[in-house]
Amino acid sequence: GQQLNQSPQSMFIQEGEDVSMNCTSSSIFNTWLWYKQDPGEGPVLLIALYKAGELTSNGRLTAQFGITRKDSFLNISASIPSDVGIYFCAGQEVGTASKLTFGTGTRLQVTL
Amino acid sequence: DAGITQSPRHKVTETGTPVTLRCHQTENHRYMYWYRQDPGHGLRLIHYSYGVKDTDKGEVSDGYSVSRSKTEDFLLTLESATSSQTSVYFCAITPRERGTDTQYFGPGTRLTVL
Repeated sequence: GQQLNQSPQSMFIQEGEDVSMNCTSSSIFNTWLWYKQDPGEGPVLLIALYKAGELTSNGRLTAQFGITRKDSFLNISASIPSDVGIYFCAGQEVGTASKLTFGTGTRLQVTL
Repeated sequence: DAGITQSPRHKVTETGTPVTLRCHQTENHRYMYWYRQDPGHGLRLIHYSYGVKDTDKGEVSDGYSVSRSKTEDFLLTLESATSSQTSVYFCAITPRERGTDTQYFGPGTRLTVL
């Protein structure tokens, strides 16, 4: 099945810096979702996007549904130590009702 | 919190033994999913259910079966566990009012097959 290309795979940043990550696909998606996963826990939904061009914020997090419907971006502003974790993108491909495709994750580590 | 619990949270078993994992939800959600998570592969769909006794296969269904006799419970069974099924298993639901896209995950079950 299709996989989403998520980049970067990992990143080390300093507290206070802004972070950007993205996800691309070869197919058109109806929905883009961003999750965060802490060690030993399940993924937690951060932001959901349902329309091309949509820009949605959740606190310091902002995500966008790419205009081509084949990509999405997540930005974290002014990172803090609790932002550490793995961030996953997921999307619902056109014609695949009820199923999501997931990226392989971006591991974020924040240094003081 | 989507009201999802998984049991057991950790299990160690031997090759060839049957294993059943349970996902329980308290909010009458129609859609339920089982995923496995492995390094380098992300989350992969095993099976999903769109109602009582209505299930379908995902991309990695070989070696797994599921059952849903009640809305609140979705069971994943490994009939004869193999070492390749060592993984972390997550259950997920889609809230009824949100349609079939957004999914919320349970806390996971870590399964080790020796």
